[in-house]
Amino acid sequence: QSVLTQPPSVSAAPGQKVTISCSRSGTNFGSNYVSWYQQLPGTAPKLLIYENDKRPSGIPDRFSGSESGTSATLGITGLQTGDEADYYCGSWDDSLSAYVFGPGTKVTVL
Amino acid sequence: QVQLQESGPGLVKASETLSLTCTVSGDSISSYYWSWIRQPPGGGLEWIGYVHRSGTTNYSPSLKSRVTISLDRSKNQLFLKLTSVAAADTAVYYCARGLYGTNWYSSEYWGQGTLVAVSS
Repeated sequence: QSVLTQPPSVSAAPGQKVTISCSRSGTNFGSNYVSWYQQLPGTAPKLLIYENDKRPSGIPDRFSGSESGTSATLGITGLQTGDEADYYCGSWDDSLSAYVFGPGTKVTVL
Repeated sequence: QVQLQESGPGLVKASETLSLTCTVSGDSISSYYWSWIRQPPGGGLEWIGYVHRSGTTNYSPSLKSRVTISLDRSKNQLFLKLTSVAAADTAVYYCARGLYGTNWYSSEYWGQGTLVAVSS
């Protein structure tokens, strides 16, 4: 069981917006940055967001990240069929002294 | 263009040692942090550990007693060794590069992954 919690799945129609939460139990993320990854079926993860809210070069601004206290959020606007994938958050955990990933959220475009 | 390619046996016997190589092209392994991450079939991502260009390493506590990550600068390769493997170590193993020089916690470039199955 991960120390980070994500909803198993979210869905929306094309063009709509989805948000995916990543919650820590009990403690704030604090200075431990959150990253977000997209994993299309059968491929390696792809970095979408780093340091809570920054996008690497080449990532469209349809993807956004935020962090507040014990929760981080990934937003995807203008949903496209190509966005159907698993999305993972990740962050360092001081208590475990390990980098941890959330269990992943499957995004379905209706 | 930065490319990472994992290689190694696809099948390892239980109790033996898993050894993987990640060959890096388009970048120098003497820069950045380099990580190994694995994903069991149908499962989520698990961080194994990283190595810095200086040789400094940091491992997941759950694997620390069994894992070694190292670099060969002359060959531009990094390595993963995991001893005493069991069925739970069956996974796709990825190597990845940190986003920028001091950033190990966001992996920008990933290999395609290699599936390693542990047989009894």
